[in-house]
Amino acid sequence: RKEVEQDPGPFNVPEGATVAFNCTYSNSASQSFFWYRQDCRKEPKLLMSVYSSGNEDGRFTAQLNRASQYISLLIRDSKLSDSATYLCVVNPGRGSTLGRLYFGRGTQLTVWP
Amino acid sequence: NAGVTQTPKFQVLKTGQSMTLQCAQDMNHNSMYWYRQDPGMGLRLIYYSASEGTTDKGEVPNGYNVSRLNKREFSLRLESAAPSQTSVYFCASRRQGQETQYFGPGTRLLVL
Repeated sequence: RKEVEQDPGPFNVPEGATVAFNCTYSNSASQSFFWYRQDCRKEPKLLMSVYSSGNEDGRFTAQLNRASQYISLLIRDSKLSDSATYLCVVNPGRGSTLGRLYFGRGTQLTVWP
Repeated sequence: NAGVTQTPKFQVLKTGQSMTLQCAQDMNHNSMYWYRQDPGMGLRLIYYSASEGTTDKGEVPNGYNVSRLNKREFSLRLESAAPSQTSVYFCASRRQGQETQYFGPGTRLLVL
């Protein structure tokens, strides 16, 4: 079983729409969680960390459900510039692998005018 | 600061040829990582170096070797390239005590 599972999409939404991505992780002892963004043919970049209480950064809201081992990302009022692949990332935090990250396959989002 | 740099950007190899992918960071980070990214597979860790002088295998180390030359540089070597190693290779680094990894722009490798 993969450490991190994501729906690859693609999601195609109009500008202004609200879209949500989900991801599940297999290791219940995982320590920390992130969403990275990757533009076409570019490197991944950190979008936001995901905290247990949920957190918001402008139009982006991340939620964590430890009981269900489930992470979500909500994007409100989508912009054309939000078109990218969103990677769900988990740090299992196990001993010597501390700092090692596990990446989901990514969910592709296209926002159209 | 340039951040994380990688060379070359693109490379075409024939099966059996060898090459070294170079990575350098100027952020004084302790840890460095090599990933490969294939369509539908996501990023997979090849090797990592938690600190200068140490290296460890990741998820897919076969066919690769690494060298942590100094704190700044972490190279990835393919001794005998195979078509299965056609991929995009990303180097990343991380500051001790923080979790964010910073990625280089990637090297696109085609093995014929």
